[in-house]
Amino acid sequence: EVQLVESGGGLVQPGGSLRLSCAASGFTFSSYEMNWVRQAPGKGLEWVSYIGISGNTIYYAASVKGRFTISRDNAKNSLYLQMNSLRVEDTAFYYCAREGARNAFDYWGQGTLVTVSS
Amino acid sequence: DIQMTQSPSSLSASVGDRVTITCRASQTIGSYLNWYQQKPGIAPNLLIYDASSLQSGVPSRFSGSGSGTDFTLTISSLQPEDFATYYCQQSYSTPPRTFGQGTKVEIK
Repeated sequence: EVQLVESGGGLVQPGGSLRLSCAASGFTFSSYEMNWVRQAPGKGLEWVSYIGISGNTIYYAASVKGRFTISRDNAKNSLYLQMNSLRVEDTAFYYCAREGARNAFDYWGQGTLVTVSS
Repeated sequence: DIQMTQSPSSLSASVGDRVTITCRASQTIGSYLNWYQQKPGIAPNLLIYDASSLQSGVPSRFSGSGSGTDFTLTISSLQPEDFATYYCQQSYSTPPRTFGQGTKVEIK
C-alpha cells in the first residue's frame, strides 16, 4: 500500500524556519517525481514545488522561490521541504504528493499544518 | 503561467442529479488535465487524469472530457458521498502545476 506521511509542521514566528519531511513507503520512491502542495485554511490548493527522480530538476512557485528548498533522499525514501524566512501568508496545510501517469498527483499524504504567527 | 478557471465556484444539487463542472485553461494544454475531489479535513483524491482517464477505484459515475483549453467533469448521478470540493489541475507545464480555484458541490 502506497503511503506518504508528512511531519515537521508547527507554530513558528515570522522570519523563522521549519523543515518538513515526507516519508514514503509501499512503492519504489526513487522512480517517482514528487511535489509539495499547500492549502491555506478555507482556501484552494496551491502547488509549491517539484523535484525530479534524481533531485537534479527542481521547480518552485514564484511565491516561495528563494525561501524554500525542496530535496529528497532516495536511500531513506524521504522528501523534504526546508522553509526559511517564513511569512504569515505561508500558513497552510502542506501536502506531499506523488506524480504518476501524465503528471497527475496520484497519491497524497495526510498533510501537516504550518502556522506562522507572532 | 497557465491560468485555470473553474465554473461555477459552487453549486447546489440533489442526490441523483447530473452535475457538470467546467474548467478552462488560458492556453492549450492538450489533454494534460486532472480532476481531484477533496472533502473537509482530508487530502485531495485523484479522480480523473489525462482529461478522461478514470483513476483506479473511482466510481464510474465520474467522467471527464475535453482537450485543448476546455474541459468538463461530469457526475452522472450524484451520491451523498460526492458532496465535496472539486479542483482541476493542468500538468502540461511546470512551473507551476496550476490548480483551478475549486467548485464546492453542496446539498440542495
